Amino acid sequence: NAGVMQNPRHLVRRRGQEARLRCSPMKGHSHVYWYRQLPEEGLKFMVYLQKENIIDESGMPKERFSAEFPKEGPSILRIQQVVRGDSAAYFCASSPQTGRNDEQFFGPGTRLTVL
Amino acid sequence: AQSVTQLDSHVSVSEGTPVLLRCNYSSSYSPSLFWYVQHPNKGLQLLLKYTSAATLVKGINGFEAEFKKSETSFHLTKPSAHMSDAAEYFCVGALNSGYALNFGKGTSLLVTP
Repeated sequence: NAGVMQNPRHLVRRRGQEARLRCSPMKGHSHVYWYRQLPEEGLKFMVYLQKENIIDESGMPKERFSAEFPKEGPSILRIQQVVRGDSAAYFCASSPQTGRNDEQFFGPGTRLTVL
Repeated sequence: AQSVTQLDSHVSVSEGTPVLLRCNYSSSYSPSLFWYVQHPNKGLQLLLKYTSAATLVKGINGFEAEFKKSETSFHLTKPSAHMSDAAEYFCVGALNSGYALNFGKGTSLLVTP
């Protein structure tokens, strides 16, 4: 059973471009979470999705950031018009169900660098 | 405010000596607490979790942690460090009724020969 897959592993964008980060959850998992890790910081929650639904986006910046988890295919985190402050590692996690006691399984992350 | 605080950003131990990584939490709910480990260029792997059952939790690779409500702590220990234990360790809490996990800033463990 493959783990959580994220691609690309490294992404370089110039200011003003769009960044698309992909996450394929573990087989059988229908819950996806995105986290951002800034340098020297812990991971910060961004958004929680189930298939075709955004459940909690309380950690998402109000502008330029969006996320989706379509019926078919991976979850996508999209950042429009990137700025240098968006440079970070973005981690995706998945779980088979949701609950405060449930483990989230993490992918290796996508490291975004904005020039 | 709900938060997780890791008290040391770097810990260095000699191989074969005990490991102690400290974590405190702040929560108005009864928390669930986790320790994850991250090796370079890898995803986070769960070491152990506390979910209001036994306060002493045993995890993988010989790690364990004790939940102490009176001290709001969840320190991670291991009796004898191996070189392969060198990694970044995150204390993580489910501290409220929402879905988000709260992460500490991480502790980098260095193991010297």
